[in-house]
Amino acid sequence: DVKVTQSSRYLVKRTGEKVFLECVQDMDHENMFWYRQDPGLGLRLIYFSYDVKMKEKGDIPEGYSVSREKKERFSLILESASTNQTSMYLCASSLQGHQETQYFGPGTRLLVL
Amino acid sequence: EDKVVQSPLSLVVHEGDTVTLNCSYEVTNFRSLLWYKQEKKAPTFLFMLTSSGIEKKSGRLSSILDKKELFSILNITATQTGDSAVYLCAVEGNFGNEKLTFGTGTRLTIIP
Repeated sequence: DVKVTQSSRYLVKRTGEKVFLECVQDMDHENMFWYRQDPGLGLRLIYFSYDVKMKEKGDIPEGYSVSREKKERFSLILESASTNQTSMYLCASSLQGHQETQYFGPGTRLLVL
Repeated sequence: EDKVVQSPLSLVVHEGDTVTLNCSYEVTNFRSLLWYKQEKKAPTFLFMLTSSGIEKKSGRLSSILDKKELFSILNITATQTGDSAVYLCAVEGNFGNEKLTFGTGTRLTIIP
């Protein structure tokens, strides 16, 4: 079974802190994605990566950056957390050319105070 | 900008009822439309639709796509309490760079 894991299930940070959210997949998938999910807004794509060291902006990249140094790991970075970044963050991965089977991690619920 | 609109936003029905969930979209260079079920945690894949008029079926769930009118429906017959979830619709467009645009979801609640 494909497994996508995220470093934390719940996280509480203060405004201005730097926040790292880690995602690891164990199926050698080329594609990895970071979404945030908010009530009434659905899932919105922040960044995605289709190969090591490659990244592309999604729909809402402002305030975020990403890092993909190894194929299995995709990190989302909040350089200076703000209260409007309080959200559920979901990571996903897929094989190249098989976007229909995006496998999602369990999510990280981030609260920024 | 790609756009996906789902309706209704929420739905409450009794066990055994049949429900129809709607998804309309605007996308550049449509490639596929996908349905996901999200219970407490991560979304799980249900269907991928690429051609108009061809019904995809899995047990009590079925879905169909209309590329002319730019919408899809997800039907669930003989609903059960285990069908309670948020159902997400997503489309892939933009020259197939494998980026999905999701709708806001429909929250379905089945009352025993």
